Amino acid sequence: GQNIDQPTEMTATEGAIVQINCTYQTSGFNGLFWYQQHAGEAPTFLSYNVLDGLEEKGRFSSFLSRSKGYSYLLLKELQMKDSASYLCAVRVYNNNDMRFGAGTRLTVKP
Amino acid sequence: DAGVIQSPRHEVTEMGQEVTLRCKPISGHDYLFWYRQTMMRGLELLIYFNNNVPIDDSGMPEDRFSAKMPNASFSTLKIQPSEPRDSAVYFCASSWNSGITDTQYFGPGTRLTVL
Repeated sequence: GQNIDQPTEMTATEGAIVQINCTYQTSGFNGLFWYQQHAGEAPTFLSYNVLDGLEEKGRFSSFLSRSKGYSYLLLKELQMKDSASYLCAVRVYNNNDMRFGAGTRLTVKP
Repeated sequence: DAGVIQSPRHEVTEMGQEVTLRCKPISGHDYLFWYRQTMMRGLELLIYFNNNVPIDDSGMPEDRFSAKMPNASFSTLKIQPSEPRDSAVYFCASSWNSGITDTQYFGPGTRLTVL
């Protein structure tokens, strides 16, 4: 089966850096996604990793280690609008089947 | 493109009634997904289609749930009969099989309340 773990809640200060971790145990790993979801809204795509290493996209970066079953999402220069839930999702095999973690609720404080 | 379209946005019904949720995927996308999200269980994949054919329905909770995709631009998720524990936000998402970044684009969701 699939097991995806991430912290339930995190708090950080505006302008700071925060790292949200995700560990997974899946069969047929074929990519890891991070989504952002504001309260009452649909998830929106942030990043994708399929090879080991760091992918940078503006203030957001995502890292993957396949051997460790580990990923993190790094948010820099935090803004109040970054307060949201961040969902880690793993795609299995080659058939677009996605499994989501429970999400990490990030609160950014002034 | 208007993105993934779902209707209705909100649905309130009584236990035992039939509920039908509708989804129009992004034009050209050949994968369509139905998800359910609750506070307790998070985001769960219910079923997904490729080229209108159901590929994996192992996430459908029970026989009361059924999904169809009669053509490339329309899908329905039906619950009959509905129960209070079915109350959740139901998301439809679509993607195209571009090989690497098969990003799923989500619709705004249908908030279902079963009384």
